Amino acid sequence: DSGVTQTPKHLITATGQRVTLRCSPRSGDLSVYWYQQSLDQGLQFLIQYYNGEERAKGNILERFSAQQFPDLHSELNLSSLELGDSALYFCASSARTGESGEKLFFGSGTQLSVL
Amino acid sequence: AQSVAQPEDQVNVAEGNPLTVKCTYSVSGNPYLFWYVQYPNRGLQFLLKYITGDNLVKGSYGFEAEFNKSQTSFHLKKPSALVSDSALYFCAVRAPISGSARQLTFGSGTQLTVLP
Repeated sequence: DSGVTQTPKHLITATGQRVTLRCSPRSGDLSVYWYQQSLDQGLQFLIQYYNGEERAKGNILERFSAQQFPDLHSELNLSSLELGDSALYFCASSARTGESGEKLFFGSGTQLSVL
Repeated sequence: AQSVAQPEDQVNVAEGNPLTVKCTYSVSGNPYLFWYVQYPNRGLQFLLKYITGDNLVKGSYGFEAEFNKSQTSFHLKKPSALVSDSALYFCAVRAPISGSARQLTFGSGTQLTVLP
């Protein structure tokens, strides 16, 4: 068990809808990362938050947004969903910013299916 | 831009034989290199990393990796494979500076199958 909790494990929704994915980092970790895993794109970095502030932004669509709350849990909001958004979304956490090479701890992911 | 290449989508090896999963990278400056493993329906788990120092890095479950700067490679190895090593393996790299372009970049993954 990595200590990173993601809910829900599975999400089935329709095109055009909006969903929220939730992540609780490992106790004491200040950074939360969101990754998208799909067969055609592999593992793509979406966004990182560090201690409540956005730290880095990757290949995140404008329809997607995220935030990290004072208790350090994070939510990834996906709106106007399209079929191509179907993927496994991972949350990861690390103790600090990640820039000194500390390892990431991954949750088990949320499998999103857009029908 | 930084990138990682895992040239083999699939590696098959017999139990008890040595295994190698290949990884090459491209990054500005000295790299931070990682190997992660993903079991079915699970998140990625950290295996080992190279930051600096000895080019041979030892990690979890008997795995090791050798950093080769001249060949820009970081191949994952294990002297004797177990059936339980069967999983999806990811190599990752990042440059030791901040910014979106320097986030952890993963390779496409290599499916390792250890045959009994």
